[in-house]
Amino acid sequence: QVQLQESGPGLVKPSETLSLTCTVSGGSISSHYWSWIRQPPGKGLEWIGCIYDSGSTKYNPSPKSRVTILEDTSKNQFSLKLSSVTAADTAMYYCAKDFGHQLLYGTFDIWGQGTMVTVSS
Amino acid sequence: AIQLTQSPSSLSASVGDRVTITCRASQGISSALAWYQQKPGKAPKFLIYDASSLESGVPSRFSGSGSGTDFTLTISSLQPEDFATYYCQQFNSYPLTFGGGTKVEIK
Repeated sequence: QVQLQESGPGLVKPSETLSLTCTVSGGSISSHYWSWIRQPPGKGLEWIGCIYDSGSTKYNPSPKSRVTILEDTSKNQFSLKLSSVTAADTAMYYCAKDFGHQLLYGTFDIWGQGTMVTVSS
Repeated sequence: AIQLTQSPSSLSASVGDRVTITCRASQGISSALAWYQQKPGKAPKFLIYDASSLESGVPSRFSGSGSGTDFTLTISSLQPEDFATYYCQQFNSYPLTFGGGTKVEIK
């Protein structure tokens, strides 16, 4: 059974870059597709972007110009970088596995536990 | 982006009640809709995909229906562990989007 674990700094200063890593266990990162999703405190869910087919990406236009998602197959990890952060980027960040098999589905059957990131000086 | 509007935003119900949550899409999405359950401090749990297909291991008291723009999630007999917030999500087109959530509380 695939399991996901997010890691990264819990506090980021405004204008700096948020960097998170999702470590995949119980399966190969190359066999599935992966997304980042966030949830501001007390609010709903927002899809940030995904990585699939050995490095192809799709991003939400909202933070798109600031987002980079990469994968590291040697470490079985994928990452999120969000540049020029503001207080509005304060949220719980989740990594998630796409439900699809050999085809990007767009739903998420396995989620990490999430990591809270606060943007503050 | 396709907008999803859930109603109600919250509801109070008793154990054993039948509960229905509605999700309306701003444009047609065929059957490309999923439902999730989220409990406080936890990640969302995948319940239903393709509007009506139950994810493996999800109790049969959960069911989904609808196509096009109007969808429902029904819990046939509410159990204590079902008190949570429920989200719909469309995967017809990118960017993927979620509804605002429906909080199911104990009456």
